[in-house]
Amino acid sequence: GAGVSQSPSNKVTEKGKDVELRCDPISGHTALYWYRQSLGQGLEFLIYFQGNSAPDKSGLPSDRFSAERTGGSVSTLTIQRTQQEDSAVYLCASSPRRLENTGELFFGEGSRLTVL
Amino acid sequence: RKEVEQDPGPFNVPEGATVAFNCTYSNSASQSFFWYRQDCRKEPKLLMSVYSSGNEDGRFTAQLNRASQYISLLIRDSKLSDSATYLCVVNMYNAGGTSYGKLTFGQGTILTVHP
Repeated sequence: GAGVSQSPSNKVTEKGKDVELRCDPISGHTALYWYRQSLGQGLEFLIYFQGNSAPDKSGLPSDRFSAERTGGSVSTLTIQRTQQEDSAVYLCASSPRRLENTGELFFGEGSRLTVL
Repeated sequence: RKEVEQDPGPFNVPEGATVAFNCTYSNSASQSFFWYRQDCRKEPKLLMSVYSSGNEDGRFTAQLNRASQYISLLIRDSKLSDSATYLCVVNMYNAGGTSYGKLTFGQGTILTVHP
């Protein structure tokens, strides 16, 4: 398909374990975003990439969270030593350019993380 | 104060009703505004942009009041398929007129349209 692809779609893990979430953006999209959405809540910004660089990491909740993007394409969000409050749907989105013009983000279906 | 605030609802309306959602934002330098729609357990999708002069797309009308830092979405002749969460979204700019490069989402307003 031509959309944003995320994996895994569902992840159940034990508290204290590390998890990696993957995002494959739409081909050619230079901007990539990670948000998370907890039950009944809005989208919380985590980090965004323009190419391989991350101009804004201000949304990462703690130093247990990190993200990287290589080759201007695939991105990985890593959560170390997971806590129960990390349980949420992690949404990745991409955009073909900076957002000023269109405001359109193309979202993946998300990775649902449950920390027991 | 949250950067983008919405009435979470839920709004329960009959088919054919007109319903309006409101949203306020805190950053007066914000330049771009949007409404997204999110169906249950699905990803958000862009519904429409919001322009200063107000804009219409079929049954949907979006308006912006910069002085009051207020955005609205009006849905006329509601359909069952309009049931969803509507997210108010702001592209915030700094005082120098440069975008922060990210979209800030409100918590969403839940709409349920019933027969």
